[in-house]
Amino acid sequence: ETGVTQTPRHLVMGMTNKKSLKCEQHLGHNAMYWYKQSAKKPLELMFVYSLEERVENNSVPSRFSPECPNSSHLFLHLHTLQPEDSALYLCASSPGTSGRAETQYFGPGTRLLVL
Amino acid sequence: QQQVKQSPQSLIVQKGGISIINCAYENTAFDYFPWYQQFPGKGPALLIAIRPDVSEKKEGRFTISFNKSAKQFSLHIMDSQPGDSATYFCAPPVGNNLFFGTGTRLTVIP
Repeated sequence: ETGVTQTPRHLVMGMTNKKSLKCEQHLGHNAMYWYKQSAKKPLELMFVYSLEERVENNSVPSRFSPECPNSSHLFLHLHTLQPEDSALYLCASSPGTSGRAETQYFGPGTRLLVL
Repeated sequence: QQQVKQSPQSLIVQKGGISIINCAYENTAFDYFPWYQQFPGKGPALLIAIRPDVSEKKEGRFTISFNKSAKQFSLHIMDSQPGDSATYFCAPPVGNNLFFGTGTRLTVIP
């Protein structure tokens, strides 16, 4: 495996379900990110982790819960989602810890549908 | 408040033509100006980027033009090919944040 991988690629869940998205980066990077991509809206940064510590949480509802057990893995735990949470969820990583993320490397995303 | 304004929203170009996508910004803290390319079913990937100490950078068929006084930068795709059909985003960073534009869907018709 190379680059940034995400599983599952597609997910359909009911509003009462609990599910998790997984991201793994094979680039030796120190920072990882979750983004939400909805139609006709700019990519929204959700969470940033640097060396496994959360450094940013952009007013994301508590029904989204991130977890970063090590610098290669990032999870997004989902529970009691709403239909408007249906979107493409992208994971990304970047090399440094200096607080600058000039270039980010993205995974292919998980297409989430909430019924 | 949107940090960058990208235009056009969509663009259709004949094969061999020139595609031009623009990005205007307000935040003077931006000091790195990248363009990302996203194909269906894939995440965005860095295509080309420029720093403000130069006004133009060319990589193959892709050129970034940067106008500091106008606070604008643009992506030019010369000799556009059907394989260039994708969505393009400007995404200047500040700190950990990439400030993505709304994207331009480019379609190159044979």
